[in-house]
Amino acid sequence: DTGVSQDPRHKITKRGQNVTFRCDPISEHNRLYWYRQTLGQGPEFLTYFQNEAQLEKSRLLSDRFSAERPKGSFSTLEIQRTEQGDSAMYLCASGGSSAYEQYFGPGTRLTVT
Amino acid sequence: QKEVEQDPGPLSVPEGAIVSLNCTYSNSAFQYFMWYRQYSRKGPELLMYTYSSGNKEDGRFTAQVDKSSKYISLFIRDSQPSDSATYLCAMSGFYGQNFVFGPGTRLSVLP
Repeated sequence: DTGVSQDPRHKITKRGQNVTFRCDPISEHNRLYWYRQTLGQGPEFLTYFQNEAQLEKSRLLSDRFSAERPKGSFSTLEIQRTEQGDSAMYLCASGGSSAYEQYFGPGTRLTVT
Repeated sequence: QKEVEQDPGPLSVPEGAIVSLNCTYSNSAFQYFMWYRQYSRKGPELLMYTYSSGNKEDGRFTAQVDKSSKYISLFIRDSQPSDSATYLCAMSGFYGQNFVFGPGTRLSVLP
């Protein structure tokens, strides 16, 4: 499978715990995006990488969220001290040379109890 | 006012109907306009994109962008039950650094 993969697919955690999600983009793509999606809403932009550089970060993103893409390949999204409001689907997308391109992974569904 | 607005539906149509889906937006800096389809518990899938104003056709799908009115549309001809999904509009600037999505319209095509 040469598409975008995300791991884990589901995560249940208790409030206050830290969680980390991984995204493996399409191998030749240099752009990578993270989004959060709640029920009945469209994906909400969180952050954008071009290669290993984090070029955009949503103003809505609290300091508890951090993302990395250390070698310009896979990326991780960490949420510290999770809150119930963090329960959502976390989507990763990668893009190639065309600015409109985004190919989404299947998402990681986070439930904070 | 939200940056991108979209009628959330749900929208139910009989098989074979023409479907019209629409979004309005407020940021005149948007240059790329996309439509995504999302099935339940799956990631969105890019259907079509348009750069700046104009029309684009791909099979049963036609995308229209009117930048003067800040209004975009997706038409689906001869709709099929397999078209039942949530349709999301999305927009970005020239460099594609930040995509803004509408809330999605849930479409059901009844056989």
